[in-house]
Amino acid sequence: QITLKESGPTLVKPTQTLTLTCTFSGFSLSTSGVAVGWIRQPPGKALEWLAVIYWDEDKRYSPSLKSRLTITKDTSKNQVVLTMTNMDPVDTATYYCAHGIVRQLWIVGFDPWGQGTLVTVSS
Amino acid sequence: DIQMTQSPSSVSASVGDRVTITCRATQGISSWLAWYQQKPGRAPKLLIYGASSLQSGVPSRFSGSGSGTDFTLTISSLQPEDFATYFCQQANSFPFTFGPGTKVDIK
Repeated sequence: QITLKESGPTLVKPTQTLTLTCTFSGFSLSTSGVAVGWIRQPPGKALEWLAVIYWDEDKRYSPSLKSRLTITKDTSKNQVVLTMTNMDPVDTATYYCAHGIVRQLWIVGFDPWGQGTLVTVSS
Repeated sequence: DIQMTQSPSSVSASVGDRVTITCRATQGISSWLAWYQQKPGRAPKLLIYGASSLQSGVPSRFSGSGSGTDFTLTISSLQPEDFATYFCQQANSFPFTFGPGTKVDIK
């Protein structure tokens, strides 16, 4: 059974850096064909894909946020970490990590997802 | 970026109804389309990937079709647990993008 869980601060101040950790079980990010992504959802709004990291260290970012995002993995701890710099109130959202469903080395969807963590940006 | 639109934005339906939701991409995405269900306060759940492949464990009343730019999600007989918001997502190219969602509520 695959599970993921996000952890990190619930409140950050504008201009601060957000660090979120996704701790997962049921799969290994050292196994070929595995990927983990981050997606966020502002309150009452749609989903926004942020980043993904593959088993082979390949990383992809949302172009609109690329300068602010870094995704890394710690295979020994079964964790993926997302950092976002220069946080702004518009970044207030529930942040999800999710297991990538990979078919023929391409992500076709995300499942399952973690429960999500609400991050509020406010002074 | 590929933009995704959905219609309708909301639909009121009764248990047993057939419900169809449409998703459109601003450019062709072949069959690289996924559908998710999200209930209030919960994480999204993958229903369909590859436009028409049912994710393991998802009831067969859910089905997907389409290719290119136009896609549909059909719920053949709406059940009480299906009242939720549904999102499409293109997986053709980065950045992955989601539709704005379709809320299915009780008539």
